Amino acid sequence: AQTVTQSQPEMSVQEAETVTLSCTYDTSESNYYLFWYKQPPSRQMILVIRQEAYKQQNATENRFSVNFQKAAKSFSLKISDSQLGDTAMYFCAFRGDGGSQGNLIFGKGTKLSVKP
Amino acid sequence: NAGVMQNPRHLVRRRGQEARLRCSPMKGHSHVYWYRQLPEEGLKFMVYLQKENIIDESGMPKERFSAEFPKEGPSILRIQQVVRGDSAAYFCASSPRGKGLALYEQYFGPGTRLTVT
Repeated sequence: AQTVTQSQPEMSVQEAETVTLSCTYDTSESNYYLFWYKQPPSRQMILVIRQEAYKQQNATENRFSVNFQKAAKSFSLKISDSQLGDTAMYFCAFRGDGGSQGNLIFGKGTKLSVKP
Repeated sequence: NAGVMQNPRHLVRRRGQEARLRCSPMKGHSHVYWYRQLPEEGLKFMVYLQKENIIDESGMPKERFSAEFPKEGPSILRIQQVVRGDSAAYFCASSPRGKGLALYEQYFGPGTRLTVT
């Protein structure tokens, strides 16, 4: 069974600085998809960035980028130039590419606080 | 282009009552997923549906919980005889396809917070 582990329950960063959130996963599949979701206090789940395992290039979306290490099964999220609006829970999620499974498997989340 | 709609946003039920949660997927999406989020936890998959079909209900409790996605109308998650442990946020997500494309993104609704008193 696939699992997703986020080892940092809480993190904080000063505004305008850079922070990296960790995520590791376990799977026997060769192709799969990885995501980072943001959940602000409104509780709305917002997709931040996605990575396809067969692509070696790390995904980037504006201030958000990932460090995808397939061999190590690691998928960390880097937030550059942190803003107060980045304060939220961040969830790492995995989706396999086999069978009829369509569900996302989530980690327990990292609570990020951006301080002024 | 409306996103995923869920209603109600908040639902209070007494123990033993039934809870009905509704989800309208994004326009053009035919796949719906339900997740449950307990306090201080990540989302846990419950069930995956296409129109008139349950594809995967491996995350759904065997008793009291059921889900449907009829040909017309929203998807419904029904919880019968609710207990305090059912108190949680229930999220619905939709996607255009279940597999076969590189784009596996799921778009989430705002969730329904169920409180059982």
